[in-house]
This record gives sequence, C-alpha cells and structure tokens, in this order.
Amino acid sequence: DIQMTQSPSSLSASVGDRVTITCRASQGISNSLAWYQQKPGKAPKLLLYAASRLESGVPSRFSGSGSGTDYTLTISSLQPEDFATYYCQQYYSTSFFGGGTKVEIK
Amino acid sequence: EVQLLESGGGLVQPGGSLRLSCAASGFTFSSYAMSWVRQAPGKGLEWVSAISGSGGSTYYADSVKGRFTISRDNSKNTLYLQMNSLRAEDTAVYYCAKSSGRWGATGGNYFDYWGQGTLVTVSS
Repeated sequence: DIQMTQSPSSLSASVGDRVTITCRASQGISNSLAWYQQKPGKAPKLLLYAASRLESGVPSRFSGSGSGTDYTLTISSLQPEDFATYYCQQYYSTSFFGGGTKVEIK
Repeated sequence: EVQLLESGGGLVQPGGSLRLSCAASGFTFSSYAMSWVRQAPGKGLEWVSAISGSGGSTYYADSVKGRFTISRDNSKNTLYLQMNSLRAEDTAVYYCAKSSGRWGATGGNYFDYWGQGTLVTVSS
C-alpha cells in the first residue's frame, strides 16, 4: 500500500496569507494525486487532480505542484471561505488519503 | 447536474448488518466507477470500496475485505454497500463518490462528485 503523509496537520493563517500544504507518498505515484477541501458537516470538494490540474470552477488562487513522492497545495492569497480542512489523495494504487490539514483563522 | 443521494444509515449493534444505497442522477451511471469513502467522527477520509462501471470488478480496503460487499444496479442508477459483521470502528459517515473514470486492479481514480453522506453508528 502507498501511504500518504500530510503536513502540517493544522495551521493558523490570516486572510491574504500564502499557505502551503505538503503530501509525501511512501513511494512514487506519478502525479496521481488529488486535493480536496472539506468544510464542517459537508462532503469533500475536489480542487485539483493529476497533481496540478485545477478542477472546473475552482478559483485560480489554488495551485498544485510536485512529482515523484512529494506534492504541494498552495493557496496564494487565503480568503475567508478557504478556512477548512484539506486532504490529499493518491490514486496511483487503489486509493489512500492523507491525514488532513486544518486551516484555521489566526 | 450530478446528484448522489445516500440512504440506509442508522444505529446497529456490533456484529449486525446494514445496507447502504446511493441513488445517482445527472450522468451516465454505467460509464463510471463508483466508490464508498468513510469518515469516522472527527477523523480523516478512508476509501472503503470501489466498483467498475459494469459491476464486474470490485475492490476493497483491507479493513473491510470479507465483511463488506459493494454492488450496483445500472438499470436503477443505484450503488449499494452491504455491511456485515459490523464493528465499533466502522462507525462513520459513509459517502458515495463518483470516480472521474475507470478503476483498475493497478490503480484507482479521483472523485469528482460526492454525496452528502449517511451516518452509520455501531454500538450496543
């Protein structure tokens, strides 16, 4: 199984901040990585897939990068509606999610 | 508009059984693999099971293999999860999720649409 280690588990940031979340796979996953946003009591929402491809309708302040085992989600300028929990998912070998990163208001 | 509506959750005793359903609309159901993903209270996401568009291939997480069975009825646009021998650690919100494409023995897929989830509580 390919496990995903996501960091940090939580962070505090202010509106307008640049935020970076990292996911590391236990082996190479060839960009088979997706990012999701989840707000309390709601289903996850797809943000990016194939490591860097933005899902339709998702604001361009969200971006993804990486290769091999290391991947990054960046929010260029944090907005009030972005306070949520973010998950990465590898789908190179079945599917495993990272542990999540809770983005809180500083 | 894609819609996924889960039902069938509830309270069940340890060792009991439950069947979840997910009614799908707004897309050609039989063309896409479907999955169940769960989330224990206050915890992260865990992929549980997937099924190919035809229903001919199924895949399971080790944590549920041998206890859960995924199936689909493409004539009714409905996905199912039969859960047997339930344990306290199966307590979670169960989401139905549409894969963006196929699901294979060597790789899965990402999920572009999710239902709102149904809560399963396993407790005596």
